[in-house]
Amino acid sequence: EDKVVQSPLSLVVHEGDTVTLNCSYEVTNFRSLLWYKQEKKAPTFLFMLTSSGIEKKSGRLSSILDKKELFSILNITATQTGDSAVYLCAEGRVGGGADGLTFGKGTHLIIQP
Amino acid sequence: EAGVTQSPTHLIKTRGQQATLRCSPISGHTSVYWYQQALGLGLQFLLWYDEGEERNRGNFPPRFSGRQFPNYSSELNVNALELEDSALYLCASSLRLGTLVRAQYFGPGTRLLVL
Repeated sequence: EDKVVQSPLSLVVHEGDTVTLNCSYEVTNFRSLLWYKQEKKAPTFLFMLTSSGIEKKSGRLSSILDKKELFSILNITATQTGDSAVYLCAEGRVGGGADGLTFGKGTHLIIQP
Repeated sequence: EAGVTQSPTHLIKTRGQQATLRCSPISGHTSVYWYQQALGLGLQFLLWYDEGEERNRGNFPPRFSGRQFPNYSSELNVNALELEDSALYLCASSLRLGTLVRAQYFGPGTRLLVL
């Protein structure tokens, strides 16, 4: 049973569109929710969210956590072809890195020119 | 600041052999994590090392093992290789401050192919 579920699994949009990627997680021993971008090999850290309702922003990317409904969203506005990647969501549990991060399967985002 | 480095970038082995993968964390990071990313399965947590000790392991058999050296670099060993061990092996490092989760920063990975 998947503990971190991402949707959609794949998404194709045109340059300039806005996209919203979803991630739901389990509540047991939850500590933080992390987003990564994976283009070829190394996932690149985007955001870490620990508090509900506080939006984190970095340029055209933003993310927010809802600890009541147990989900997070990643928004990308004015998408560019360079945003094409797999976006990974991961849950960190209590005890620091005790269990490592639990990753979802990712959303494969394709931005068409 | 140098990121996480891994070697080799690619490794080809045959069934039954042993593979050794290496990782150097970001300077100042004491925790090293190993993950397996097999096709269609997503990133799966393998092992966590901190201050030279194995702190936890994921749901993998004992033939997956490793160690962390005094300089915090780490080695992952996979014994008795099986075809399904073919995957991208990613190493990540983080600071460890009490029980707080810290962001993990990933290296470029080692792609292991078992023939």
